[in-house]
Amino acid sequence: AQSVAQPEDQVNVAEGNPLTVKCTYSVSGNPYLFWYVQYPNRGLQFLLKYITGDNLVKGSYGFEAEFNKSQTSFHLKKPSALVSDSALYFCAVRDGVTGGGNKLTFGTGTQLKVEL
Amino acid sequence: DTEVTQTPKHLVMGMTNKKSLKCEQHMGHRAMYWYKQKAKKPPELMFVYSYEKLSINESVPSRFSPECPNSSLLNLHLHALQPEDSALYLCASSQGWVGVAKNIQYFGAGTRLSVL
Repeated sequence: AQSVAQPEDQVNVAEGNPLTVKCTYSVSGNPYLFWYVQYPNRGLQFLLKYITGDNLVKGSYGFEAEFNKSQTSFHLKKPSALVSDSALYFCAVRDGVTGGGNKLTFGTGTQLKVEL
Repeated sequence: DTEVTQTPKHLVMGMTNKKSLKCEQHMGHRAMYWYKQKAKKPPELMFVYSYEKLSINESVPSRFSPECPNSSLLNLHLHALQPEDSALYLCASSQGWVGVAKNIQYFGAGTRLSVL
């Protein structure tokens, strides 16, 4: 089975500073990786995905992620954090295909807190 | 438009009640999902429907009964739930067979369920 790990339960960043939310993966075969964000009492919002191609993936709201095959990592980054970025972030890996659906395995989540 | 609509937003039910959660999407997606999420935890997959057929049941207790009446609609029927079933129930959808492994799952805002 495929898996992802998010080693940090919480990340604190000052507004305007760069942020990084870490994710490492373990897969057999090609990795299909995703980042989602969840604001309080809301569903998950898709940010970006890595399938193949460029190791730097650009996504929504100014986020990007760097895929590193040798380190089996897929860290989420943003050059300048906003207070409104404070939320729960999930890394996920495609863990199988069934019929026309794909099965995702999520990491444990990282709470990002951006302070003034 | 990437909207998945879930109703109701909140639901309180007793352990002897029968209720239903509803999920709707009009993106032409052919795979639909139910997840259960506890506070600050990742979503846990419950069911996957692919082309209106149940393709995954993650050993969910029979007090949860999914139904997919058509390609746009997904229901979750609830009966004789336990207090530990209180959670945020999320619905998601994705395209289907076209590029299935790479497809993005789009989530609704969820139904916050409290079982008394």
